[in-house]
Amino acid sequence: GAGVSQSPSNKVTEKGKDVELRCDPISGHTALYWYRQSLGQGLEFLIYFQGNSAPDKSGLPSDRFSAERTGGSVSTLTIQRTQQEDSAVYLCASSLRPRPYDSGNTIYFGEGSWLTVV
Amino acid sequence: AQKVTQAQTEISVVEKEDVTLDCVYETRDTTYYLFWYKQPPSGELVFLIRRNSFDEQNEISGRYSWNFQKSTSSFNFTITASQVVDSAVYFCALRPSNAGNNRKLIWGLGTSLAVNP
Repeated sequence: GAGVSQSPSNKVTEKGKDVELRCDPISGHTALYWYRQSLGQGLEFLIYFQGNSAPDKSGLPSDRFSAERTGGSVSTLTIQRTQQEDSAVYLCASSLRPRPYDSGNTIYFGEGSWLTVV
Repeated sequence: AQKVTQAQTEISVVEKEDVTLDCVYETRDTTYYLFWYKQPPSGELVFLIRRNSFDEQNEISGRYSWNFQKSTSSFNFTITASQVVDSAVYFCALRPSNAGNNRKLIWGLGTSLAVNP
Protein backbone atom coordinates (compact mmCIF):
# COMPACT_ATOMS: atom_id res chain seq x y z
CA GLY A 1 0.00 0.00 0.00
CA ALA A 2 0.88 3.65 -0.17
CA GLY A 3 1.32 4.11 3.56
CA VAL A 4 1.91 2.27 6.80
CA SER A 5 -1.09 0.10 7.53
CA GLN A 6 -2.09 -1.00 11.01
CA SER A 7 -4.76 -3.35 12.21
CA PRO A 8 -7.01 -3.47 14.02
CA SER A 9 -7.90 0.20 14.15
CA ASN A 10 -9.69 -0.31 17.43
CA LYS A 11 -9.52 -3.15 19.91
CA VAL A 12 -11.41 -3.55 23.16
CA THR A 13 -10.24 -6.44 25.25
CA GLU A 14 -10.79 -7.79 28.72
CA LYS A 15 -8.09 -7.54 31.31
CA GLY A 16 -5.90 -10.62 31.25
CA LYS A 17 -6.45 -11.46 27.61
CA ASP A 18 -3.69 -11.43 24.98
CA VAL A 19 -3.80 -9.07 22.01
CA GLU A 20 -1.93 -8.89 18.74
CA LEU A 21 -1.44 -5.70 16.79
CA ARG A 22 -0.27 -5.82 13.21
CA CYS A 23 1.79 -3.40 11.19
CA ASP A 24 2.41 -3.51 7.46
CA PRO A 25 5.14 -0.97 6.64
CA ILE A 26 5.70 0.82 3.39
CA SER A 27 7.15 -1.56 0.85
CA GLY A 28 10.93 -1.39 0.77
CA HIS A 29 11.31 0.31 4.14
CA THR A 30 13.97 -1.46 6.16
CA ALA A 31 13.37 0.23 9.50
CA LEU A 32 10.23 -0.36 11.54
CA TYR A 33 9.27 1.16 14.87
CA TRP A 34 6.59 0.69 17.46
CA TYR A 35 5.55 3.58 19.70
CA ARG A 36 2.86 3.95 22.31
CA GLN A 37 0.87 7.03 23.18
CA SER A 38 -1.11 6.93 26.39
CA LEU A 39 -3.66 9.55 27.42
CA GLY A 40 -1.81 12.54 28.78
CA GLN A 41 1.57 11.09 27.92
CA GLY A 42 4.04 11.76 25.19
CA LEU A 43 5.08 9.25 22.61
CA GLU A 44 6.91 6.32 24.13
CA PHE A 45 9.35 4.28 22.09
CA LEU A 46 8.80 0.52 22.35
CA ILE A 47 10.90 -1.39 19.83
CA TYR A 48 12.90 -0.96 16.65
CA PHE A 49 13.63 -3.38 13.80
CA GLN A 50 16.28 -2.78 11.19
CA GLY A 51 16.79 -5.29 8.42
CA ASN A 52 18.14 -8.57 9.73
CA SER A 53 19.75 -7.04 12.80
CA ALA A 54 18.64 -7.98 16.28
CA PRO A 55 15.78 -5.68 17.30
CA ASP A 56 16.23 -2.99 19.90
CA LYS A 57 13.75 -3.96 22.58
CA SER A 58 14.93 -1.48 25.16
CA GLY A 59 11.64 0.42 25.20
CA LEU A 60 9.36 -2.51 25.96
CA PRO A 61 7.77 -1.76 29.35
CA SER A 62 7.56 -5.34 30.59
CA ASP A 63 8.05 -8.95 29.54
CA ARG A 64 4.36 -9.09 28.68
CA PHE A 65 5.24 -7.16 25.55
CA SER A 66 6.93 -8.76 22.58
CA ALA A 67 7.22 -8.10 18.89
CA GLU A 68 8.42 -9.85 15.82
CA ARG A 69 8.97 -8.95 12.24
CA THR A 70 8.68 -11.68 9.67
CA GLY A 71 10.50 -11.60 6.37
CA GLY A 72 11.67 -8.07 7.00
CA SER A 73 8.18 -6.75 6.37
CA VAL A 74 5.07 -7.24 8.49
CA SER A 75 5.43 -6.83 12.24
CA THR A 76 3.25 -8.04 15.08
CA LEU A 77 3.23 -6.52 18.55
CA THR A 78 1.87 -8.92 21.16
CA ILE A 79 0.72 -7.95 24.61
CA GLN A 80 0.09 -10.83 26.95
CA ARG A 81 -2.19 -10.73 29.99
CA THR A 82 -3.28 -7.19 29.22
CA GLN A 83 -3.67 -4.67 32.01
CA GLN A 84 -5.71 -1.50 32.09
CA GLU A 85 -2.56 0.59 31.96
CA ASP A 86 -1.85 -0.93 28.56
CA SER A 87 -4.72 1.10 27.13
CA ALA A 88 -3.19 3.44 24.60
CA VAL A 89 -2.72 4.12 20.93
CA TYR A 90 -0.02 1.90 19.49
CA LEU A 91 1.70 3.52 16.56
CA CYS A 92 3.83 1.78 13.98
CA ALA A 93 6.25 3.66 11.75
CA SER A 94 8.69 2.82 9.01
CA SER A 95 11.50 4.54 7.19
CA LEU A 96 13.50 3.79 4.09
CA ARG A 97 16.88 4.12 5.71
CA PRO A 98 18.14 2.78 9.01
CA ARG A 99 18.94 6.22 10.35
CA PRO A 100 15.50 7.74 10.04
CA TYR A 101 16.17 11.16 11.45
CA ASP A 102 19.07 11.98 9.22
CA SER A 103 18.82 14.44 6.40
CA GLY A 104 16.78 13.21 3.50
CA ASN A 105 14.94 10.53 5.44
CA THR A 106 11.53 10.63 7.01
CA ILE A 107 9.54 8.42 9.30
CA TYR A 108 6.09 7.53 8.13
CA PHE A 109 3.53 6.67 10.76
CA GLY A 110 0.43 4.56 10.53
CA GLU A 111 -2.89 5.70 11.95
CA GLY A 112 -2.43 3.60 15.04
CA SER A 113 -4.25 0.83 16.82
CA TRP A 114 -6.42 2.10 19.65
CA LEU A 115 -6.35 -0.46 22.45
CA THR A 116 -8.76 -0.31 25.35
CA VAL A 117 -8.43 -2.79 28.19
CA VAL A 118 -11.56 -3.10 30.30
CA ALA B 1 18.69 15.51 31.69
CA GLN B 2 17.06 15.42 28.30
CA LYS B 3 13.63 16.91 28.19
CA VAL B 4 11.14 18.61 25.89
CA THR B 5 8.53 20.94 27.33
CA GLN B 6 5.47 22.12 25.49
CA ALA B 7 3.88 24.34 28.09
CA GLN B 8 0.72 25.00 26.11
CA THR B 9 -1.61 22.06 26.53
CA GLU B 10 -4.44 23.48 24.45
CA ILE B 11 -4.79 26.49 22.21
CA SER B 12 -7.96 27.71 20.56
CA VAL B 13 -7.92 30.36 17.86
CA VAL B 14 -10.24 31.71 15.23
CA GLU B 15 -9.49 31.05 11.60
CA LYS B 16 -6.99 33.44 10.03
CA GLU B 17 -5.32 34.23 13.32
CA ASP B 18 -1.61 33.60 13.68
CA VAL B 19 -0.64 31.13 16.39
CA THR B 20 2.71 30.17 17.92
CA LEU B 21 3.35 26.84 19.56
CA ASP B 22 6.16 26.88 22.08
CA CYS B 23 8.81 24.23 22.54
CA VAL B 24 11.62 24.39 25.07
CA TYR B 25 14.19 21.64 25.28
CA GLU B 26 16.96 20.56 27.61
CA THR B 27 20.07 18.70 26.60
CA ARG B 28 23.75 18.76 27.43
CA ASP B 29 24.68 17.57 23.96
CA THR B 30 26.20 20.05 21.55
CA THR B 31 24.90 18.07 18.60
CA TYR B 32 21.23 17.25 18.43
CA TYR B 33 18.17 17.41 16.22
CA LEU B 34 14.80 18.97 16.85
CA PHE B 35 11.55 17.96 15.19
CA TRP B 36 7.94 18.98 14.89
CA TYR B 37 5.20 16.49 14.08
CA LYS B 38 1.51 17.01 13.46
CA GLN B 39 -1.10 14.52 14.63
CA PRO B 40 -4.47 15.19 12.99
CA PRO B 41 -7.70 13.68 14.38
CA SER B 42 -7.09 10.55 12.30
CA GLY B 43 -4.19 9.74 14.63
CA GLU B 44 -1.29 9.39 12.26
CA LEU B 45 1.84 11.39 12.81
CA VAL B 46 2.99 13.68 10.04
CA PHE B 47 6.58 14.83 9.96
CA LEU B 48 6.85 18.61 9.59
CA ILE B 49 10.45 19.64 10.08
CA ARG B 50 13.88 18.53 11.28
CA ARG B 51 16.48 21.02 12.45
CA ASN B 52 20.02 20.29 13.53
CA SER B 53 21.69 22.14 16.35
CA PHE B 54 24.24 23.81 14.12
CA ASP B 55 21.69 25.51 11.94
CA GLU B 56 19.90 28.35 13.67
CA GLN B 57 18.54 29.81 10.50
CA ASN B 58 14.80 30.19 10.74
CA GLU B 59 12.75 28.32 8.21
CA ILE B 60 9.54 29.16 6.43
CA SER B 61 7.39 26.71 4.54
CA GLY B 62 4.20 28.24 3.28
CA ARG B 63 2.15 29.27 6.29
CA TYR B 64 4.50 27.46 8.65
CA SER B 65 7.61 28.95 10.17
CA TRP B 66 10.03 27.86 12.83
CA ASN B 67 12.18 29.96 15.13
CA PHE B 68 15.16 28.11 16.57
CA GLN B 69 17.05 29.93 19.31
CA LYS B 70 19.83 28.06 21.07
CA SER B 71 20.29 30.89 23.56
CA THR B 72 16.89 30.16 25.03
CA SER B 73 16.77 26.46 24.07
CA SER B 74 13.58 27.04 22.16
CA PHE B 75 12.23 25.82 18.85
CA ASN B 76 8.90 27.55 18.38
CA PHE B 77 6.46 26.87 15.57
CA THR B 78 4.22 29.55 14.08
CA ILE B 79 1.23 29.04 11.84
CA THR B 80 0.26 32.16 9.94
CA ALA B 81 -3.34 32.75 8.89
CA SER B 82 -4.51 29.54 10.54
CA GLN B 83 -7.08 27.31 8.92
CA VAL B 84 -9.52 24.76 10.29
CA VAL B 85 -7.43 21.99 8.73
CA ASP B 86 -4.58 23.01 11.01
CA SER B 87 -6.53 21.65 13.97
CA ALA B 88 -4.39 18.87 15.39
CA VAL B 89 -2.02 17.96 18.17
CA TYR B 90 1.48 19.16 17.48
CA PHE B 91 4.50 17.43 18.99
CA CYS B 92 7.98 18.78 19.43
CA ALA B 93 10.77 16.21 19.81
CA LEU B 94 14.50 16.08 20.52
CA ARG B 95 17.05 13.56 19.34
CA PRO B 96 20.22 13.83 21.37
CA SER B 97 23.48 12.86 19.75
CA ASN B 98 23.80 9.71 21.84
CA ALA B 99 20.65 8.20 20.39
CA GLY B 100 22.51 5.51 18.49
CA ASN B 101 20.45 4.68 15.45
CA ASN B 102 18.26 7.65 16.25
CA ARG B 103 15.29 5.67 17.33
CA LYS B 104 14.91 7.21 20.75
CA LEU B 105 13.38 10.57 20.33
CA ILE B 106 12.43 12.51 23.41
CA TRP B 107 8.95 13.84 22.99
CA GLY B 108 6.98 16.73 24.40
CA LEU B 109 3.44 16.05 25.55
CA GLY B 110 2.01 17.91 22.60
CA THR B 111 -0.11 21.00 22.12
CA SER B 112 -3.68 20.56 20.98
CA LEU B 113 -4.59 23.30 18.53
CA ALA B 114 -8.21 24.01 17.68
CA VAL B 115 -8.87 26.41 14.84
CA ASN B 116 -12.47 27.52 14.82
CA PRO B 117 -14.27 28.89 11.78
